[in-house]
Amino acid sequence: NAGVTQTPKFRVLKTGQSMTLLCAQDMNHEYMYWYRQDPGMGLRLIHYSVGEGTTAKGEVPDGYNVSRLKKQNFLLGLESAAPSQTSVYFCATSTGDTEAFFGQGTRLTVV
Amino acid sequence: GESVGLHLPTLSVQEGDNSIINCAYSNSASDYFIWYKQESGKGPQFIIDIRSNMDKRQGQRVTVLLNKTVKHLSLQIAATQPGDSAVYFCAEKASNTGNQFYFGTGTSLTVIP
Repeated sequence: NAGVTQTPKFRVLKTGQSMTLLCAQDMNHEYMYWYRQDPGMGLRLIHYSVGEGTTAKGEVPDGYNVSRLKKQNFLLGLESAAPSQTSVYFCATSTGDTEAFFGQGTRLTVV
Repeated sequence: GESVGLHLPTLSVQEGDNSIINCAYSNSASDYFIWYKQESGKGPQFIIDIRSNMDKRQGQRVTVLLNKTVKHLSLQIAATQPGDSAVYFCAEKASNTGNQFYFGTGTSLTVIP
């Protein structure tokens, strides 16, 4: 089992460009999350989903959109990237009642 | 809003000593707590968890203590090894916040050989 897989692992964007980060899980978990991690800070929740077809805002949702069309995939979109969105992005999944399992992260740089 | 904080951002210990990492939380409705370990360039990895109906839980070389009265969580690592060097995060979840996990800022543990 792959667990939680994020693609891509690295990306450099120019300000104003758009991109989509993909999270795929084979754990059959209902809950999926997108976090960002900045130096010296913990993980901050961007958006999350409690099941296929659902999405909800987290702590820092501005500038991001998400979609959960299939249970196993959770997409994070940046419509118009800004330097403030330079960060490491982590996807996680959970049953909702137990621990969250994390992917390996996507390092995004916006120049 | 939620706040999960750590008392010490960095901790250095001698190999073989015990380590204690602390965490405070503010939501009295939090009912599930987790400690994660994050090594450089990797995603957080689950270490141990504890639910609010417990005060203590032990794993292999790790113990988590929960004091609900003062909203405090600690992670104890016995006989700390160089491989324990990493950033440790506490996370908490409450049913009244949609089962979202809220993370602390992390403590960087360095083990001195």
